Amino acid sequence: EAQVTQNPRYLITVTGKKLTVTCSQNMNHEYMSWYRQDPGLGLRQIYYSMNVEVTDKGDVPEGYKVSRKEKRNFPLILESPSPNQTSLYFCASSLGQGAFWTEAFFGQGTRLTVV
Amino acid sequence: AQSVTQPDIHITVSEGASLELRCNYSYGATPYLFWYVQSPGQGLQLLLKYFSGDTLVQGIKGFEAEFKRSQSSFNLRKPSVHWSDAAEYFCAVGPSFGNEKLTFGTGTRLTIIP
Repeated sequence: EAQVTQNPRYLITVTGKKLTVTCSQNMNHEYMSWYRQDPGLGLRQIYYSMNVEVTDKGDVPEGYKVSRKEKRNFPLILESPSPNQTSLYFCASSLGQGAFWTEAFFGQGTRLTVV
Repeated sequence: AQSVTQPDIHITVSEGASLELRCNYSYGATPYLFWYVQSPGQGLQLLLKYFSGDTLVQGIKGFEAEFKRSQSSFNLRKPSVHWSDAAEYFCAVGPSFGNEKLTFGTGTRLTIIP
């Protein structure tokens, strides 16, 4: 089954404790991205990657890191989480870029709480 | 910069009634447009998309949307809603070459009353 898998689904952590949210897709998609969803703000892009070893900032990259060492995986790293990073996070993947874009497929989401 | 406006934060309709959710976009070229639905506790599922061609597009679950370039709109419609349609709906635009980003609206929460 084609899917985007995020782990964990729920996470409660303390301020400053490094964490990683994993994302994996099995569709051989080139493009992957991370979004955060906050009430009244919709989904905002954090980082995206157009292929292995190619990443770039989205709209709200501060406090986050990503890496793309393999095509299927795109982990989101919070080096020193803060309470304002409490949010619902989604990973997405799609085939192609720009004019060759297809729709994005989303993971189930990770609800992160930083206390 | 591309942007999406969903002017209705929350809409309530009766089961069996028709539905229209509004979406207006700002984009420098012919847009790629999408509607996604998010059921409670779930991820986002694509309802339909517009890339080019026929301006009336059909999607899953009986939804359709019409692209109107003159009004910069891409409104979502359903002739008769079901209780299971209660969810949050997001309109999105993009990406394009050189701007590799989907831009989402803030969402419209749909409540269905019996």
